[in-house]
Amino acid sequence: GENVEQHPSTLSVQEGDSAVIKCTYSDSASNYFPWYKQELGKGPQLIIDIRSNVGEKKDQRIAVTLNKTAKHFSLHITETQPEDSAVYFCASRTGTASKLTFGTGTRLQVTL
Amino acid sequence: EADIYQTPRYLVIGTGKKITLECSQTMGHDKMYWYQQDPGMELHLIHYSYGVNSTEKGDLSSESTVSRIRTEHFPLTLESARPSHTSQYLCASRELAGNTIYFGEGSWLTVV
Repeated sequence: GENVEQHPSTLSVQEGDSAVIKCTYSDSASNYFPWYKQELGKGPQLIIDIRSNVGEKKDQRIAVTLNKTAKHFSLHITETQPEDSAVYFCASRTGTASKLTFGTGTRLQVTL
Repeated sequence: EADIYQTPRYLVIGTGKKITLECSQTMGHDKMYWYQQDPGMELHLIHYSYGVNSTEKGDLSSESTVSRIRTEHFPLTLESARPSHTSQYLCASRELAGNTIYFGEGSWLTVV
């Protein structure tokens, strides 16, 4: 089955700096890659996603890039703010399968 | 914003008790999921459903059971709770042809 690796497990940045989280996947048939943000005590919330026919997608301060050849995708957060502090999960889905395979999560801490 | 609700949010029960975690969504989604997550850790799929009367086991073996008698309702039951069942349980749903999985706020279960 699909395997998703996520790095780093923890990331601390100063407010205003950029943060990058990277994920690799194993199944070359995977075609959908969402990123979720989970705040303390809450369920994960989708923040951005990308399909395999697109190399990059941007939404304000958040962007995701996908390299299908290398089978990795990354989340980029620019101009980080304290409210960006949370755990971020990447995920992948293969074909029309119902299931997402999640990465192990990255705890992002934005310090003042 | 997702219309998916979980009750109870927090539950502390004794070993051997039977418990049911409720999950309801008002979006008419066919696909529903249960994930188990230890604090800040990765999400593990334990059950999913394609629609009414459909239930499947997920990637992580679980002693819990689920039912799907109505589209909007996907309860999870533990017949005899044990301390090893202490965890957060997240319910989620998505449209049949959609990509986005919407999560509930989670149910924190502690078995003493």
